[in-house]
Amino acid sequence: QQQVKQSPQSLIVQKGGISIINCAYENTAFDYFPWYQQFPGKGPALLIAIRPDVSEKKEGRFTISFNKSAKQFSLHIMDSQPGDSATYFCAARISGTYKYIFGTGTRLKVLA
Amino acid sequence: DAGVTQSPTHLIKTRGQHVTLRCSPISGHKSVSWYQQVLGQGPQFIFQYYEKEERGRGNFPDRFSARQFPNYSSELNVNALLLGDSALYLCASSLAGGSGNTIYFGEGSWLTVV
Repeated sequence: QQQVKQSPQSLIVQKGGISIINCAYENTAFDYFPWYQQFPGKGPALLIAIRPDVSEKKEGRFTISFNKSAKQFSLHIMDSQPGDSATYFCAARISGTYKYIFGTGTRLKVLA
Repeated sequence: DAGVTQSPTHLIKTRGQHVTLRCSPISGHKSVSWYQQVLGQGPQFIFQYYEKEERGRGNFPDRFSARQFPNYSSELNVNALLLGDSALYLCASSLAGGSGNTIYFGEGSWLTVV
């Protein structure tokens, strides 16, 4: 079964701290792994994405780490800010398609 | 540039009714996908269309249907609405129908079935 397991379900971080969200998958027929940020009442917005042939990708304060052998990938938010408070979803695209499997989401709250 | 636009933003329907949701992709994007997001969950894939043809279908009943028009806009139709169809319906567009491009979501249409 194609699933993406995301943890933790919720996360509270102090301003300036590092937020870490993890995802794991079982099916190897995934070829693209984006992260989306969603604010209440809004659609998911693409944050950062990685391909499985790359172990790490950094864009500003956001970094994806990808471990192909362990079938795990994670999002690190450095210097977390109150404006980062949102729900974050990891996703995996089934190879050769536009079908994405989403994780269940992590609700992040950054305390001022 | 305008992003993915969806209409209506909110609507309330009664069980058994029919609903049509509309989506206009980002200019230049030819592929449209539809996702259902139930409160507290991640989006679930319903359909993907490219060049007016269905290219993928998720695990949803036949009450769900969609189509894409020559201008690449799309409609999602749901017949015989059930209470469980209450959700945020997201449209996403991408540049092409192959596997090389990311999908970008609209703000969604909130459907409440009473």
